[in-house]
Amino acid sequence: EDKVVQSPLSLVVHEGDTVTLNCSYEVTNFRSLLWYKQEKKAPTFLFMLTSSGIEKKSGRLSSILDKKELFSILNITATQTGDSAVYLCAIGGADGLTFGKGTHLIIQP
Amino acid sequence: SAVISQKPSRDICQRGTSLTIQCQVDSQVTMMFWYRQQPGQSLTLIATANQGSEATYESGFVIDKFPISRPNLTFSTLTVSNMSPEDSSIYLCSVAEGRYNSPLHFGNGTRLTVT
Repeated sequence: EDKVVQSPLSLVVHEGDTVTLNCSYEVTNFRSLLWYKQEKKAPTFLFMLTSSGIEKKSGRLSSILDKKELFSILNITATQTGDSAVYLCAIGGADGLTFGKGTHLIIQP
Repeated sequence: SAVISQKPSRDICQRGTSLTIQCQVDSQVTMMFWYRQQPGQSLTLIATANQGSEATYESGFVIDKFPISRPNLTFSTLTVSNMSPEDSSIYLCSVAEGRYNSPLHFGNGTRLTVT
């Protein structure tokens, strides 16, 4: 059974700080690892990673995958209050898409 | 990516009643899925909505409780039947664009509260 563990479960930082969110996984027949940002209800797609060691970047957000150690990190630099959300990690494998419970990130002004 | 419209956005229902959630996509998509997210939990796949045939349900979910329709490639409905407070959840429609390994995109979700 595919499994995704995210840490920390919640995180409170001040505006301007840099945060690193972690996602470790177990999967049969790895296809992809995805990151989503969930504000209120709808998850918004951030990144899809399929290859180790290749950083994906979008503005202040970046992510990288390590397929040997079975984890990914999501970095957010110069955080803003609008970054407050639940960040979901999902793994695509033989079981389809399996989601972690998310990291609840709170950015304090 | 496709624009996914889901309604209602939220509802409060009495136990024993049923609610139908609609999902409309602005383009034809091959794969449509229905997810549930219970409070404090991760997203759980309920079923894959198949165009022109019966939905494919995941373990723990059955057609009598969650009947699904998919009459065409742009529309699907999920009904939550004979509701109980345990059905209080966010229900999410999602689509994949059909390319191999393409990411899922989600509708705006329906927050259901059963009293």
